This record gives sequence, structure tokens and C-alpha cells, in this order.
Amino acid sequence: NAGVTQTPKFQVLKTGQSMTLQCAQDMNHEYMSWYRQDPGMGLRLIHYSVGAGITDQGEVPNGYNVSRSTTEDFPLRLLSAAPSQTSVYFCASSYSGQGALGNTIYFGEGSWLTVV
Amino acid sequence: KNQVEQSPQSLIILEGKNCTLQCNYTVSPFSNLRWYKQDTGRGPVSLTIMTFSENTKSNGRYTATLDADTKQSSLHITASQLSDSASYICVVVYGNKLVFGAGTILRVKS
Repeated sequence: NAGVTQTPKFQVLKTGQSMTLQCAQDMNHEYMSWYRQDPGMGLRLIHYSVGAGITDQGEVPNGYNVSRSTTEDFPLRLLSAAPSQTSVYFCASSYSGQGALGNTIYFGEGSWLTVV
Repeated sequence: KNQVEQSPQSLIILEGKNCTLQCNYTVSPFSNLRWYKQDTGRGPVSLTIMTFSENTKSNGRYTATLDADTKQSSLHITASQLSDSASYICVVVYGNKLVFGAGTILRVKS
């Protein structure tokens, strides 16, 4: 059971380039989300999805796009990378809404992105 | 504004010693409070989940306490081990939204 798998682990981009961070889960979870983690700050929600075909914005969505064509996959696209997007990105999944009591949230290993 | 403040920012203790990490929050109303452990270079892993009506929840050597009246929580680690070196993150949930603290970095020395 792989859980939540993110790729790539590390990436360096030039300003203006685009790229996609991949996220896949094998637990048949409906709820998936993307967070970014910056030094001295708590994780912040970028985008989330409550099921295939349904996505919504989180706290810091600007500069990012998502889609959810299958239950398993939830890729995050950076449209035109900026240095402010240098961060560690975490994908997460859970059986239902992430705030529900008794609902464990599973995080991926993280993707370290540097934009120069 | 909904906020979660953790203290201290970092802490160094000797192996075998106990320690307590603090979490103060202004989130209201909240449905549950969670503590996560995040090893260096890894994603957060859940330690405990407590509702507003629970005062304490244990997971092995980890014991979380909650005082909903004062909006404070603590995570107590007993008989620390080298493997406890990590960042510990307090998360407060309201509705379906999570508010993350910045974490306390714990280093356990031999």
C-alpha cells in the first residue's frame, strides 16, 4: 500500500517556466488537497477536491491550477513560475472532508520546488 | 483572525528526558484539535485527534491535553528517544477548514 505518492521530490525551475507536480493515492479517498509549507509558517491550503471532477480554491490559489479526472490523481500545475512559489508542496488525501472527526489525513512525502 | 501559535519555536533535550510543547489558538468555534509529527524531509503524520469535550488523548509516549476554555493545548513527550527529533505541528479544525501552527522543532540529543 503506497499511500500518497508525490513526484518529483526536487525541482528547480526558471522564472516563467511551467510544470506539474504529480500526486496519486491508492486508498480510494474522495478528498484530496495541496498545501504549501514555508519557513516559519503553517501549511496553507492551495486547492482541494471533494471527488473526481470537482475542485475548489483554498487559501492561496493564485498561480496554480488543478484538475481531478480520476479518484486517484490530483496534479498541481504551476502556470508561470515565480520566485514567490519557492516552497515545499504537500499533497494530502482523506476518506471524506478533511476536518471530519476520526478522518485521518494522509500526507505525501513532499516536493521541494525552487524557482530562480 | 483564526490563528494557531506554538511555543517554543525550537527545543533541545537530552535523550530520556520529558518535554512539553504548547499550542494556543484563537480559532472559534472549533470541532477538533490535532497534533502531527513531521520528520525532516517527510510529510506530517497524525499523532492525536481531540474534540472540544476531551481533555486528554494518548498515543504511546505522546499525551495531548486540551483546555477549550483557555484555548490551549499541549503535547507531552515522555522518556524521549532520538527518533522523537522532528517538528510537531498543532492543527485546529473548524468546519472543514484546518488552521496549522508553524510547528515546534524538537531535537533529542544523546
